[in-house]
Amino acid sequence: AQRVTQPEKLLSVFKGAPVELKCNYSYSGSPELFWYVQYSRQRLQLLLRHISRESIKGFTADLNKGETSFHLKKPFAQEEDSAMYYCALSSSPGFQKLVFGTGTRLLVSP
Amino acid sequence: DTEVTQTPKHLVMGMTNKKSLKCEQHMGHRAMYWYKQKAKKPPELMFVYSYEKLSINESVPSRFSPECPNSSLLNLHLHALQPEDSALYLCASSPTTRRTMNTEAFFGQGTRLTVV
Repeated sequence: AQRVTQPEKLLSVFKGAPVELKCNYSYSGSPELFWYVQYSRQRLQLLLRHISRESIKGFTADLNKGETSFHLKKPFAQEEDSAMYYCALSSSPGFQKLVFGTGTRLLVSP
Repeated sequence: DTEVTQTPKHLVMGMTNKKSLKCEQHMGHRAMYWYKQKAKKPPELMFVYSYEKLSINESVPSRFSPECPNSSLLNLHLHALQPEDSALYLCASSPTTRRTMNTEAFFGQGTRLTVV
């Protein structure tokens, strides 16, 4: 069965501090992983996808198949990073099903 | 136009009512999705349409009836709902259901449904 685990419901840091939002997954096939973000009163939107190995808004995430993890990191948090972050897994053979983790609320204080 | 538009934004309906949720996109996407999100929970997939054909039904009760009249529109017809069906209903679209480097689901703002 596919499962995405985000162990922290809330992560509170000060501006300028490093941030790591944890994501672990369980999937027997070849996974495709995403981070989606939802800012206050805005729609859910894609932040990162592992297949493109990009950095968006200073965030990076590396897929570690050995540890089945896809943690989201940023070296210096900004107040505007405060949002709800969902890790999601797409199952084979297509993109048809996104399975979301329970989400982590990131709160960056001044 | 790079948005998925959902109407209405809010809906209150009785358990005997029939109502419909609408979703529209003009990005030329050929895959469209309905997700349900209960309070403080992640979105859960309900239905997937690919090229206007129902591709996945995640064992959703028949009181929810999806319809895809054309490649730009997706409806969710509601009938005889229960109070526990109250949730945020999200529509999403993606270029196709195939994995590509540009695979991305675009989400609408959602319809907040309250069943009384």
